[in-house]
Order: sequence, then C-alpha cells, then structure tokens
Amino acid sequence: ILNVEQSPQSLHVQEGDSTNFTCSFPSSNFYALHWYRWETAKSPEALFVMTLNGDEKKKGRISATLNTKEGYSYLYIKGSQPEDSATYLCAFTGNQFYFGTGTSLTVIP
Amino acid sequence: DAGVIQSPRHEVTEMGQEVTLRCKPISGHDYLFWYRQTMMRGLELLIYFNNNVPIDDSGMPEDRFSAKMPNASFSNLKIQPSEPRDSAVYFCASSFRAQGRREQFFGPGTRLTVL
Repeated sequence: ILNVEQSPQSLHVQEGDSTNFTCSFPSSNFYALHWYRWETAKSPEALFVMTLNGDEKKKGRISATLNTKEGYSYLYIKGSQPEDSATYLCAFTGNQFYFGTGTSLTVIP
Repeated sequence: DAGVIQSPRHEVTEMGQEVTLRCKPISGHDYLFWYRQTMMRGLELLIYFNNNVPIDDSGMPEDRFSAKMPNASFSNLKIQPSEPRDSAVYFCASSFRAQGRREQFFGPGTRLTVL
C-alpha cells in the first residue's frame, strides 16, 4: 500500500482568510493526482485532475499545483468562505488508486 | 444524466446475512469503482472494472466480498456472510476513458450497518 499523506489533518480558519494544504505522494509510477471536495453527508466531488509536473489548475477561489518530481501537490483557497467547509481529499493514481485521509476545513463566519 | 445511482441508500442487516449493494454508473462511462469509507481507514478502493471486466480486486478485504458487472449499466457488490466490521459507507464511482486521468463521479453511497 502506498502512502498518500495529507496535512494538516484539520484546519479552522476565519472567513476571508486564505489557506493551503498539502498532499504528498510517491514520486515513482506517477499517473495523475486528483483533488476532491467532500461535504458532510454528501459524496466526493472532483475539483482537479493534474497529470504533468508543474501543472497549475484554478477554479474560482481554489487553485492547485503539482510537483511530481518531489511528490507533492498544494491546494490553495483564497478568501475562505463558510461554504468552503468540507474535507479535501487528494488521490494518487499510479498502478492503483490511493486516497489520502483528507484535510478537514472549517471556515468560521 | 442522473449521475451515479446507488441502492439502497441505507441497509441494516444482521450478522450472517447476505448483503447486496447496487450501482448504476453514468451512461457512457467505461470505468466503475467500488470504495468503502470507514473512520479508521478513510476511503479505500475495493475493486474497479474497465468495460465490465474486473481489473484490480486487490482491495477486496476477503472472500466474503464479491463484485460483478454483468453489463455496462449495472454492478453489484455482495457480502456473504456479513459481519459487524463490514459496517461502513460504500461508494460507487464511474469515469470515462483515460484510466486515472479523468475525474471520478461518485454516487451518494450506501450506509451499511451490520448488527
């Protein structure tokens, strides 16, 4: 089983703050890195899929970067809003699919 | 499209009973995945199919678990006999082509409780 690690495990920020979290994954046999947003009592929804080293993706206030050589990806949220509260999961795909355990974000109004 | 459909949404059963979870992927998607979510282990991939063929079932916990995909629009996951430690939320997801390089679309999940 490969290690896909996310940090921090949980995060509380004030509304309006910007924040970021990390996904670390094996740098060998890399195929793609996914980010998902998972709200409580719902199912995960895809945010980004990145495949190339140096990829940067953006959707509204959320953006992500990818470094396949050193095995990490960052997810950034600019100007956090209460509706951003969710668990953010990354998933590494190589020969298999491995999800990290997620970063739980709570945005305090 | 209605998205990935899973049934039932909730299942409560007694230890030793057979449980069948069902999934209808998004039409046209050629990959189907079964996941299990637990507090201890997070989201785990159990098995995935490509064009109805099981590709990797190494995540299936033991012989009590089996999954089939008889056609492109249906898959089931069976647990026989069920045990209390099987209690979890089971998600089905599907994606289109380019294994691993396209996002997965998740169903609403089935919450299984084994008493």
